[in-house]
Amino acid sequence: GAVVSQHPSRVICKSGTSVKIECRSLDFQATTMFWYRQFPKKSLMLMATSNEGSKATYEQGVEKDKFLINHASLTLSTLTVTSAHPEDSSFYICSAETGTNQPQHFGDGTRLSIL
Amino acid sequence: SQKIEQNSEALNIQEGKTATLTCNYTNYSPAYLQWYRQDPGRGPVFLLLIRENEKEKRKERLKVTFDTTLKQSLFHITASQPADSATYLCALGDSGAGSYQLTFGKGTKLSVIP
Repeated sequence: GAVVSQHPSRVICKSGTSVKIECRSLDFQATTMFWYRQFPKKSLMLMATSNEGSKATYEQGVEKDKFLINHASLTLSTLTVTSAHPEDSSFYICSAETGTNQPQHFGDGTRLSIL
Repeated sequence: SQKIEQNSEALNIQEGKTATLTCNYTNYSPAYLQWYRQDPGRGPVFLLLIRENEKEKRKERLKVTFDTTLKQSLFHITASQPADSATYLCALGDSGAGSYQLTFGKGTKLSVIP
């Protein structure tokens, strides 16, 4: 149980393109989902907390107009990287919590490469 | 500021031995601590959760201890196998506002040598 699916697994696109990443909880409902970014040999950095039916909460230093988050249902959250540039290239990972103070279950990540 | 340190970036161990990974933290009062395993190019996989009022948790060959006085957690893998080779992350959950948010350490890359 507690499977999180993330799609796509890899994206390569030109600078200026907007990219949408989907995160789905397959066998449970997730009121809260999280979006992380990970650089090589670095820890996961929380970007934002996505709450179903309300606006996402962004961490300090994360541009909300750059990284648009939509959590339209209890099983789906999307992250859109708008007008992506090479410095946005990274490994983006989503997670979902089965309950407050319960383990987070992670997707397999999306490797984003902006040329 | 809050700081989480995992003892080493990399740890090599002989197959069959017990691997011990350390997670230390400062300026933090976590309500719970979690350990995850991450393989290259994949998302983290949850292993164990231990709460602030618990001293030890076990799951098969895994054992976690949590010492809130020392501000330290130890993660043990007994009878280690090459398949245990991965990066292990500790993550702390705060009891403050947004209590379900996790802060991750950088991880320790474990290599189990046959």
